[in-house]
Amino acid sequence: QKEVEQDPGPLSVPEGAIVSLNCTYSNSAFQYFMWYRQYSRKGPELLMYTYSSGNKEDGRFTAQVDKSSKYISLFIRDSQPSDSATYLCAMSTVDSSYKLIFGSGTRLLVRP
Amino acid sequence: GAVVSQHPSRVICKSGTSVKIECRSLDFQATTMFWYRQFPKQSLMLMATSNEGSKATYEQGVEKDKFLINHASLTLSTLTVTSAHPEDSSFYICSARLAGGIKLQETQYFGPGTRLLVL
Repeated sequence: QKEVEQDPGPLSVPEGAIVSLNCTYSNSAFQYFMWYRQYSRKGPELLMYTYSSGNKEDGRFTAQVDKSSKYISLFIRDSQPSDSATYLCAMSTVDSSYKLIFGSGTRLLVRP
Repeated sequence: GAVVSQHPSRVICKSGTSVKIECRSLDFQATTMFWYRQFPKQSLMLMATSNEGSKATYEQGVEKDKFLINHASLTLSTLTVTSAHPEDSSFYICSARLAGGIKLQETQYFGPGTRLLVL
């Protein structure tokens, strides 16, 4: 079983839709939770970062962490074609905060 | 924001040859750089952590004699794939940690990646 599971998609939505992206994990020691956006043939770009449980909002993006369920989510409101990319979740423990464990990524396509 | 570059962006080589990939932090000093490998439709997998002026730390299952890492300065780390074989074909991505950064997750910046194809 992988430590971090993520549906690879692709997920296709119309412009303006609310997008929900999710990851589940098995290691209860994870405390740092990140979402990265990766465009084709590019390196990942950090979108959101959350420590422990709770919600965090930044513009059109909201990250949620439910540690009791070992489940994290990224919501994108008013999605735009420019949001079309692969979204990777990543996690790490306090002891090994440099070591990021990535999900396989969900490919998102926002149709104009 | 901080910029990390990689060179080359794409390389094709023959089996048995060695390939060097450079990772540079352009506008900041990086005490630590990381090398990842990403196969198609798979996760980024950490290969090794390199600290300026010291030996790299390799993850379990990564051959240190095959993937040579040198971190000679605070802005440059190199990964050399020695005696490359077709199974080494992958997308190699480096990241750099901002020197003095407290929260790694907010201060780790990724390069654009290098696509290696070994024939």
